[in-house]
Amino acid sequence: DVKVTQSSRYLVKRTGEKVFLECVQDMDHENMFWYRQDPGLGLRLIYFSYDVKMKEKGDIPEGYSVSREKKERFSLILESASTNQTSMYLCASSPPYSSSYNEQFFGPGTRLTVL
Amino acid sequence: AQSVSQHNHHVILSEAASLELGCNYSYGGTVNLFWYVQYPGQHLQLLLKYFSGDPLVKGIKGFEAEFIKSKFSFNLRKPSVQWSDTAEYFCAVTPHTGRRALTFGSGTRLQVQP
Repeated sequence: DVKVTQSSRYLVKRTGEKVFLECVQDMDHENMFWYRQDPGLGLRLIYFSYDVKMKEKGDIPEGYSVSREKKERFSLILESASTNQTSMYLCASSPPYSSSYNEQFFGPGTRLTVL
Repeated sequence: AQSVSQHNHHVILSEAASLELGCNYSYGGTVNLFWYVQYPGQHLQLLLKYFSGDPLVKGIKGFEAEFIKSKFSFNLRKPSVQWSDTAEYFCAVTPHTGRRALTFGSGTRLQVQP
């Protein structure tokens, strides 16, 4: 089974702090994604990566950055946390794109509260 | 850019009732379509997916969905729901070309009463 793990289930930070959310997958997947999940808004894509050191902005990248130094690890960074970044953050991974597009596998999520 | 609409935000059913959750997408090209489910306190997991071929796809736990291209719809159905189907359901789409990340709908919270 594919396993996607996230470093914390719950996190409480203060406004202005730099926050790191870590995600690790164990299936040698090329593609990794960060979403945030908010009630009534579904999941929105923040950033994704299709290879080591490669990244692309998603739909809501403002206030976030990412790092992918190793294939299995994809980090989301909040440079200066703000209260409107309080949310559930979900990481996902998927195999390389092909004519038969494969599903994304999700981690358990990190519920971040910014005070 | 593509978008997904889920018109039912909160659905309450009794056990054994039939279920249909609506999903419409907007995109001019060929798409792949997905339904994901999130049970309380659990990971988001795939329920079913459509890539091509038979527009009626069957997924886990007795769920099925029908892709109607002319209506840009991919509605989820189950003939008889159980209390254990209580969860949040998300429809998602990705185009065959270009950016392959999923675009999700806003979700439908299903509550099944025993």
